[in-house]
Amino acid sequence: QITLKESGPTLVKPTQTLTLTCTFSGFSLSTSGVSVAWIRQPPGKALQWLALIYWDDDKRYSPSLKTRLAITKDTSKNQVVLTMTNMDPEDSATYFCAHRRNYLDTGYRGFDYWGLGTLVIVSS
Amino acid sequence: SYELTQPPSVSVSPGQTARITCSGDEMPKQYTFWYQQKPGQAPVVVIYKDTERPSGIPERFSGSSSGTTVTLTISGVQAEDEADYYCQSVDSSDTSVFGGGTKLTVL
Repeated sequence: QITLKESGPTLVKPTQTLTLTCTFSGFSLSTSGVSVAWIRQPPGKALQWLALIYWDDDKRYSPSLKTRLAITKDTSKNQVVLTMTNMDPEDSATYFCAHRRNYLDTGYRGFDYWGLGTLVIVSS
Repeated sequence: SYELTQPPSVSVSPGQTARITCSGDEMPKQYTFWYQQKPGQAPVVVIYKDTERPSGIPERFSGSSSGTTVTLTISGVQAEDEADYYCQSVDSSDTSVFGGGTKLTVL
């Protein structure tokens, strides 16, 4: 059974750096083709994909946010960490992490398991 | 950057058919995924790879693709289908993108 859980601060100040951790179980991020993504959703607004890390440590970032984002993994701890620099009130959102199954043979590039999300508020 | 376009809202009466479209230039080359999201919940996949339905998703949910547009169809809409629906795909570099979301209202 695959589960993911996001953790991190609820409140950050403008200009600070946000660090979020996704702790997962039920799969290994060393399995070929598997990846984990971060996705956010401001209150009342649409989902926005942020970043993805592959089993082989390759990474992808949202073009509009790539200068502020960094995604890393710790396979031994079953964790993926997202850092976002220079936080702004417009970054207030629920942040989700999500699992993407092996796409190498299947072409499956969607997100089949999601965490419940963690709310981050940016305010002084 | 790559964009997916959805109508902001769709309204149907119970028992009718709802169709939600998603348009994007890369549609012919990449699969599309559809998610249902109810208030306060994480999204759930209802259609994957354009037309496939995950186990546990009712048969009234179906997907189709034509050119640069994919469509999520909900036949015989029920009150419980009222939710936000998002399409998602990738570009040629495997960068993901979500559509702006469609609010389905069951009248």
